[in-house]
Amino acid sequence: ETGVTQSPTHLIKTRGQQVTLRCSSQSGHNTVSWYQQALGQGPQFIFQYYREEENGRGNFPPRFSGLQFPNYSSELNVNALELDDSALYLCASSLVWTEAFFGQGTRLTVV
Amino acid sequence: SQQGEEDPQALSIQEGENATMNCSYKTSINNLQWYRQNSGRGLVHLILIRSNEREKHSGRLRVTLDTSKKSSSLLITASRAADTASYFCATGIQGAQKLVFGQGTRLTINP
Repeated sequence: ETGVTQSPTHLIKTRGQQVTLRCSSQSGHNTVSWYQQALGQGPQFIFQYYREEENGRGNFPPRFSGLQFPNYSSELNVNALELDDSALYLCASSLVWTEAFFGQGTRLTVV
Repeated sequence: SQQGEEDPQALSIQEGENATMNCSYKTSINNLQWYRQNSGRGLVHLILIRSNEREKHSGRLRVTLDTSKKSSSLLITASRAADTASYFCATGIQGAQKLVFGQGTRLTINP
C-alpha cells in the first residue's frame, strides 16, 4: 500500500464528454504528477503540481487540465473526450526528486 | 517520445533462476527508478538509484547504473512466480520535473 488513492477505479464516458479523476497523495508529499498509460505502453507524463502550482507539463493538449488543493490532493480534468483518451490514468505523489509512489490508477474507456 | 528503452521486451524463465533486465536512456538524469506493474494496475516502486550511485540492493533486487553508458540493469535473484509482472525503468531528467518511462519488460516466471 502506497497511501496514494485514486477514484474512481473504472469509468466509461462518451466521446465529447468531460471527466474528472481524483487523487489523494501520500501523507507529507507536496508533489503530485499525472501519467497516461495506453495499453502495452509505458506511462506518459501529463503534468505535475507542486504546492498547488503547475510545475511542468508533458506533450498533452490544453483540454487536459489539473488542480492541486491545499491538502495536496489533486484532480485531473479532461474535456471533449476523444476515443484515444482511453487509457489507464496514474497519479504519483512524491517530494521533489525522491521516490514517486503511484496509486492503482483509473481505467478510462471512451466510447 | 520515450527516453528509456528496456531490453528485452519479454523474458520467460524458470522459477529459481535469476532475471536481468536492462534499460538505456538518452539524456542526463538526476535519478533512475524501477517499477513493477501487475496486470495493468498501479506501479509499485522497487528502487531508486541516484546519478552519483553505481549500485543498490534491496532484498532480492540489485540495480546498477552506468551514467557513462547511459544504462541501468535490474537483477532479480531466485525468481518466484509472484515476480511475474511488467517492469519499467523511469528516468528523472535533469531540469525537468517528470519521470520518463520506457516501454517495459514483461517477465514471466514459470513454475
